[in-house]
Amino acid sequence: DAKTTQPTSMDCAEGRAANLPCNHSTISGNEYVYWYRQIHSQGPQYIIHGLKNNETNEMASLIITEDRKSSTLILPHATLRDTAVYYCIVRVVPTGTASKLTFGTGTRLQVTL
Amino acid sequence: KAGVTQTPRYLIKTRGQQVTLSCSPISGHRSVSWYQQTPGQGLQFLFEYFSETQRNKGNFPGRFSGRQFSNSRSEMNVSTLELGDSALYLCASSLDWGEQYFGPGTRLTVT
Repeated sequence: DAKTTQPTSMDCAEGRAANLPCNHSTISGNEYVYWYRQIHSQGPQYIIHGLKNNETNEMASLIITEDRKSSTLILPHATLRDTAVYYCIVRVVPTGTASKLTFGTGTRLQVTL
Repeated sequence: KAGVTQTPRYLIKTRGQQVTLSCSPISGHRSVSWYQQTPGQGLQFLFEYFSETQRNKGNFPGRFSGRQFSNSRSEMNVSTLELGDSALYLCASSLDWGEQYFGPGTRLTVT
């Protein structure tokens, strides 16, 4: 699976949009971009995923650049409960090894009043 | 729909002992994966079971093993515990290759 690079930490004011970048310059054509987050001491929570088109769900939006070398997770109106570590993961699906998620160090997002 | 459940939530064991952790996946999910999370190594993949067969394995010693039952429930076992095995053990389930849904984890402390 392609390696990802994320900033170590970011701050965001409550109510503002949080834009979390991820670089995956070695991504291949059959690799998806997945985002998970982990609130302190809880299990990671699935947020969103995409291949090449922008995606939106009730939690967030995922913007993938045309060359697919980077992406941005957008939390439109961040709240204190969005404070967490956010992981950007690329993985090949579907294959027998697709179930494995390779977590990096993620971005620690701190939402403040 | 009920989420992934893991038991026990907390566990304290002594070096040299063995431990068994349990995971009940979301109903209908046939894939169960296990991860270890430590402050030093982060989240690392242990293994994955699909339809009672180990389909994928991470780079952990043979002391770490697992199995899956016909109802998709899974257990992982760690034998001859070492201090370094102290960690949060996470279980995740998915339909097949899709997004994984994680349980709350079992926090294992080895003394």
